[in-house]
Amino acid sequence: GAVVSQHPSWVICKSGTSVKIECRSLDFQATTMFWYRQFPKQSLMLMATSNEGSKATYEQGVEKDKFLINHASLTLSTLTVTSAHPEDSSFYICSAPTGSVTEAFFGQGTRLTVV
Amino acid sequence: QKEVEQNSGPLSVPEGAIASLNCTYSDRVSQSFFWYRQYSGKSPELIMSIYSNGDKEDGRFTAQLNKASQYVSLLIRDSQPSDSATYLCAVASGGYQKVTFGTGTKLQVIP
Repeated sequence: GAVVSQHPSWVICKSGTSVKIECRSLDFQATTMFWYRQFPKQSLMLMATSNEGSKATYEQGVEKDKFLINHASLTLSTLTVTSAHPEDSSFYICSAPTGSVTEAFFGQGTRLTVV
Repeated sequence: QKEVEQNSGPLSVPEGAIASLNCTYSDRVSQSFFWYRQYSGKSPELIMSIYSNGDKEDGRFTAQLNKASQYVSLLIRDSQPSDSATYLCAVASGGYQKVTFGTGTKLQVIP
């Protein structure tokens, strides 16, 4: 079945540094990928839609200059959290629709802790 | 504002019983409905998808959709301790664009 791989699975960084998270579709091409954030005991909140070859679409309230998204190929999207702060600590999850069905597969998620 | 409402639980059921999870949504044009299971610290995994009114069964799982009442449910028969997780209801207006997730219901299956 379709697989989405996300890396790293967890990362700890110092406040003020930047962190890059990768999301890869392993056996299918994904022109669109979605980035979500999930705080403890809360649901997944869509942050942005990553579009291959064009700019990402950000949800209201998400700072595009802080959460940089690059979708340079049909199998890879990256999310860079710039100048991370403790309030950015969260579980970040990507997903990619397979195209042939109205469903998407999720990456394993990345637990970001900013200290 | 599209909303998906779920009771946060926890819902506790004994092993072997039927667990019933409920979800209501506000956007009447919603067309696609999903149930995901999420273990603590893990990403969600798709259990069921349903697109038309009625019941859809897959093994021990049955999804029920009533668009008139804007209600979707998930029944888990013969509940097992391994079913203990948070179950997320997700709704999309079309395709897999702009999916809205509920906050999830935590299910505890007691051995």
